Amino acid sequence: GDSVTQMEGPVTLSEEAFLTINCTYTATGYPSLFWYVQYPGEGLQLLLKATKADDKGSNKGFEATYRKETTSFHLEKGSVQVSDSAVYFCALGVAGGGNKLTFGTGTQLKVEL
Amino acid sequence: GAVVSQHPSRVICKSGTSVKIECRSLDFQATTMFWYRQFPKQSLMLMATSNEGSKATYEQGVEKDKFLINHASLTLSTLTVTSAHPEDSSFYICSALPRGSSGNTIYFGEGSWLTVV
Repeated sequence: GDSVTQMEGPVTLSEEAFLTINCTYTATGYPSLFWYVQYPGEGLQLLLKATKADDKGSNKGFEATYRKETTSFHLEKGSVQVSDSAVYFCALGVAGGGNKLTFGTGTQLKVEL
Repeated sequence: GAVVSQHPSRVICKSGTSVKIECRSLDFQATTMFWYRQFPKQSLMLMATSNEGSKATYEQGVEKDKFLINHASLTLSTLTVTSAHPEDSSFYICSALPRGSSGNTIYFGEGSWLTVV
């Protein structure tokens, strides 16, 4: 079945450090890939997405590239801020899958001054 | 932006009682809503998909008689955990698909923490 594996957290970084959160997936068919973010006390919000191989999703300085050859969708940001502290979820959705999403376990990011 | 609200955000109930969690789309109509649960350090697991006016579709391994889902209107879905037990303690989160949107436009609620004592 479909699955998403992402690195365990928490990840603790200093402000302005480079961020990478790894995400790999297994799926039948050709999935769309997503990163969601959950700030404390709020619901999940879509951060970025990519719908086909080699697509790059980007938003708020975050980027992720859909790598079919490595079945990966790693999240990166060049310079993190304290306000980026949140839980990040990698997810996939398969066309014809009834809009269901398969999530990774989430990675907590803590950014310190 | 579109808002989905869950209530209550935290609830503690006694073992054997039932508890209801509401999921509302505040500024759009949602033909489909999804219910997930998350155990500590695990993925969000889809429990069921509910379509307005019809019975929910449950994922394999989810007891439909224990987790009652009602989607009576285009803006409200409820999850009732019946005869709750401590192992039902978890984080429950809903998401809603706006009417007429593509599958990539899904909005999530804030989640509800259930503790059964």
